[in-house]
Amino acid sequence: DIVMTQSPLSLPVTPGEPASISCRSSQSLLHSDGYNYFHWYLQKPGKSPQLLIYLGSNRASGVPDRFSGSGSGTDFTLKISRVEAEDVGVYYCMQSLQTPFTFGPGTKVDIK
Amino acid sequence: EVQLVESGGGLIQPGGSLRLSCAASGFTVSTNYISWVRQAPGKGLEWVSVIYAGGTTFYADSVKGRFTISRDNSKNALYLQMNSLRAEDTAMYYCAKLDGYCSENTCLGGFDYWGQGTLVTVSS
Repeated sequence: DIVMTQSPLSLPVTPGEPASISCRSSQSLLHSDGYNYFHWYLQKPGKSPQLLIYLGSNRASGVPDRFSGSGSGTDFTLKISRVEAEDVGVYYCMQSLQTPFTFGPGTKVDIK
Repeated sequence: EVQLVESGGGLIQPGGSLRLSCAASGFTVSTNYISWVRQAPGKGLEWVSVIYAGGTTFYADSVKGRFTISRDNSKNALYLQMNSLRAEDTAMYYCAKLDGYCSENTCLGGFDYWGQGTLVTVSS
């Protein structure tokens, strides 16, 4: 199985400041078609997860442009240019290159 | 508008069976790729199973042989039959639609719509 790791696991943030979360996979998620089969989700408190970034760097519908995804192969980064209070929650990375699809352990983001 | 509504959760004794349902609207389950994802209380997300548009299914090792994913095209619904339930199956179960397509054991796309979840508690 592909193992996903995230860092940090906890991230206190200040509104208006940037924030960054890293995710690493145990094997490359770059498919021969050129896509990275890698996605970011946010689970706000008490809510279902929501898709933020798909295929490594594409923002999902309705996601503010302060969120961006980058990386390729085994190393990926989610960046928030200016954190807002509504961005608190747990951020998960996930791979869909091969079953079983696997998630990272999650990064809890809260306001300092 | 795309919606997924899970139901069927509850308290069940170890060794028992339960069938979860996921009612879909705004899209057709038979031409899409849909998964079940679960979350134990206070824990992270765990992928459980997927059913492809063509009917192919895959499972996590932790549920293989005990859980069965299926769908009813006439009802536009997805199901998860869970047998031989264990305490470690206690979780919120979500159905989630994939935005993309799958081939062999690979899926191009993320889960763009999720239901609100249904809670399964396995306890005596």
